[in-house]
Amino acid sequence: NAGVTQTPKFRVLKTGQSMTLLCAQDMNHEYMYWYRQDPGMGLRLIHYSVGEGTTAKGEVPDGYNVSRLKKQNFLLGLESAAPSQTSVYFCASRGLEIADTQYFGPGTRLTVL
Amino acid sequence: AQSVAQPEDQVNVAEGNPLTVKCTYSVSGNPYLFWYVQYPNRGLQFLLKYITGDNLVKGSYGFEAEFNKSQTSFHLKKPSALVSDSALYFCAVRDGDTGGFKTIFGAGTRLFVKA
Repeated sequence: NAGVTQTPKFRVLKTGQSMTLLCAQDMNHEYMYWYRQDPGMGLRLIHYSVGEGTTAKGEVPDGYNVSRLKKQNFLLGLESAAPSQTSVYFCASRGLEIADTQYFGPGTRLTVL
Repeated sequence: AQSVAQPEDQVNVAEGNPLTVKCTYSVSGNPYLFWYVQYPNRGLQFLLKYITGDNLVKGSYGFEAEFNKSQTSFHLKKPSALVSDSALYFCAVRDGDTGGFKTIFGAGTRLFVKA
């Protein structure tokens, strides 16, 4: 049982390049989330999904797109990377019950030059 | 809209002394409150949560938190700090009256325990 995994662990991009971050969970969770973590800002919600085929915007969605084609996977895309998107990105998942614990992946450190 | 405030960027405490990490929240409905811990270069790990009932919640590693509805607070506490407790701590909230789909986190408080 791997829990929540993220690929890649590290990535360096040049401004304007695109990339996709992959999150996978093996706990059959309905809800999945993408957060970014920046010093002094805590975790800010980018996008989330409440089930396969659904996505919704969080606090800071601009510049990102997401897809949830399979229940176990949640993809975060950057179409044209900007230096302001340099951050550590965390994926999380949880079950349907409102009190269910969220489980986090190990993070992806992205640098945009 | 739901929000979380952690008023202290850093808390310093001597090993063996009690520690408190503060958190206040704002939701329109019933709050579901969480504490997570993050060690360097790691993801967040769940510590404890408040759903309903007893205002004092006990969690992992000897941590506990006290829910205070009138002060809209959920402070994290530990009677005797360890050096190994040094980490980044996050408070989070879900709003029960809006479905609880989103979990909003505070900015984090860095705990430093000195030997």
